Amino acid sequence: AQSVTQLDSQVPVFEEAPVELRCNYSSSVSVYLFWYVQYPNQGLQLLLKYLSGSTLVKGINGFEAEFNKSQTSFHLRKPSVHISDTAEYFCAVRGPGSGSRLTFGEGTQLTVNP
Amino acid sequence: EAGVAQSPRYKIIEKRQSVAFWCNPISGHATLYWYQQILGQGPKLLIQFQNNGVVDDSQLPKDRFSAERLKGVDSTLKIQPAKLEDSAVYLCASRPSENTEAFFGQGTRLTVV
Repeated sequence: AQSVTQLDSQVPVFEEAPVELRCNYSSSVSVYLFWYVQYPNQGLQLLLKYLSGSTLVKGINGFEAEFNKSQTSFHLRKPSVHISDTAEYFCAVRGPGSGSRLTFGEGTQLTVNP
Repeated sequence: EAGVAQSPRYKIIEKRQSVAFWCNPISGHATLYWYQQILGQGPKLLIQFQNNGVVDDSQLPKDRFSAERLKGVDSTLKIQPAKLEDSAVYLCASRPSENTEAFFGQGTRLTVV
């Protein structure tokens, strides 16, 4: 079984500052990794995904993440945030196989202040 | 491409009443998930279907929750009877194949009073 730990429940930053949201996972098998964003009263929207290949993945809205197998991490980064990036961010992990469970972390609330 | 459709968007019921949620996944998606998201927490998997078969319902409270997926397409999730602690957003998601992400609907916000 897989599990996900998001190390920060809340991250306040100022507009145009860089941000990193941390995610660690545990799994005994190879994994697929995802970051989703959730705006108030909305469903989850995919930001980016790691399925295989390059460990640095780029997503929408200027976000990127790096898969680090030795540290079992998949941290999300953005070099310069905007007010509109204020939202809840979820890291998720899934093992191989069509029946594998998609497991989410508890989320990180990113608040971008002017 | 149409997204995952869920209805209703909001529902308020009294405890001990029953409620049902409906999900129409993206056409052709074999995998369908139901998640429960309590305020301030991450989504928790309730049940996962592969076509019309259940592959994981280990976290579904089967004494009060039930779900079915008709002909491997639409799905309904039912709670009977509801408890106060069932107040949450219920999210449906679907996925076409193994090497892809899951696509989520807007969710149904349930309030049990």
